[in-house]
Amino acid sequence: DAGVTQSPTHLIKTRGQQVTLRCSPKSGHDTVSWYQQALGQGPQFIFQYYEEEERQRGNFPDRFSGHQFPNYSSELNVNALWLGDSALYLCASSLEGAGANVLTFGAGSRLTVL
Amino acid sequence: DQQVKQNSPSLSVQEGRISILNCDYTNSMFDYFLWYKKYPAEGPTFLISISSIKDKNEDGRFTVFLNKSAKHLSLHIVPSQPGDSAVYFCAASALFRAGGTSYGKLTFGQGTILTVHP
Repeated sequence: DAGVTQSPTHLIKTRGQQVTLRCSPKSGHDTVSWYQQALGQGPQFIFQYYEEEERQRGNFPDRFSGHQFPNYSSELNVNALWLGDSALYLCASSLEGAGANVLTFGAGSRLTVL
Repeated sequence: DQQVKQNSPSLSVQEGRISILNCDYTNSMFDYFLWYKKYPAEGPTFLISISSIKDKNEDGRFTVFLNKSAKHLSLHIVPSQPGDSAVYFCAASALFRAGGTSYGKLTFGQGTILTVHP
């Protein structure tokens, strides 16, 4: 049973560029959340998608946007990249209801902005 | 504003001894707490959780204690094994009900690096 898969694993961008990160949730999960983990910090909540809609959002600017597809997979888009956007981006999936708090994480996409 | 804090960046323990990892929180709305373990190049893995209606939850070698009045929780690992060496994150959630469903958003601490020496 495949867990959460993310792509790409590593990427390098320059300031001002745009990036798209992709996530396939664990089989049977219907909710996808995205987290940003800066070096030496814990993951920080970006937003959550359920039924193809953004349901919750953390303290991130509108440059961060996302999408969930009918098959529950998701994309994270970041526009006008800053140096400070360099981080590990983690996708997590869960099942709506009793299991909503127990997230299954992917290995992450490491973004470096030069 | 760091709502979940892990004040010990690292902890070193001898194999077979007890590891105690601590976590403090400030938001009274948090009602569900979790511990995640993270190995290098892998995503965080769920370890154990506790609801605010309990003060202790045990799963094998892992026990989580919750002190609501002190807004403090701890993870005990007994006995510690070298394979337990990893970064441990404390996380908290405030369940939110909308339209009859419930879901949570996790707030994480900074993590504690646990090293268990053989």
